Amino acid sequence: DAGVTQSPTHLIKTRGQQVTLRCSPKSGHDTVSWYQQALGQGPQFIFQYYEEEERQRGNFPDRFSGHQFPNYSSELNVNALLLGDSALYLCASSLETSGSYNEQFFGPGTRLTVL
Amino acid sequence: DAKTTQPTSMDCAEGRAANLPCNHSTISGNEYVYWYRQIHSQGPQYIIHGLKNNETNEMASLIITEDRKSSTLILPHATLRDTAVYYCIVRVVPDYKLSFGAGTTVTVRA
Repeated sequence: DAGVTQSPTHLIKTRGQQVTLRCSPKSGHDTVSWYQQALGQGPQFIFQYYEEEERQRGNFPDRFSGHQFPNYSSELNVNALLLGDSALYLCASSLETSGSYNEQFFGPGTRLTVL
Repeated sequence: DAKTTQPTSMDCAEGRAANLPCNHSTISGNEYVYWYRQIHSQGPQYIIHGLKNNETNEMASLIITEDRKSSTLILPHATLRDTAVYYCIVRVVPDYKLSFGAGTTVTVRA
């Protein structure tokens, strides 16, 4: 049973560019969340997708957008990259019907470096 | 907007129990306590969660004080592979996000 997979593993971009990160949830999961983790800090919630809609968003600007596809996979898009966007981007999947036991399974992340 | 306080770091000996404290003095009645850990170069991993009763699973035990203002995660027999950053998170269900703080860096020494 494959867990959460993310691609690419590493990415280098320059300021002003746009980037797309991809995530495939754990088999059977229908909900995908995205987190940003700066070096030495805990992950920060960006947003969550369920039924192809963004249903909760953290304190991130509109440059951060996403999408969920009918097969539950998801993309995170970041426009007009800033140096401060350099971080590990984590995808987490969960099952909507699991109630309080909403264990989120995390992928290994995509390391984005903005030069 | 993390609502928990944890020590920055702690060491423990391999084979001994590791007791990780967490303070959440402003917790509300409908908020759960979750614990996750993050081993270096990996994504966070769920450990356990609870509301007000003590909980145990194959990884750890969670002890929540009667007033719910603090909790302790217990790793019964720490191994070198338990070296990680441990995050205590307070979360209201059905809030979807996990609000991570800085966590406790736990180093298990042989």
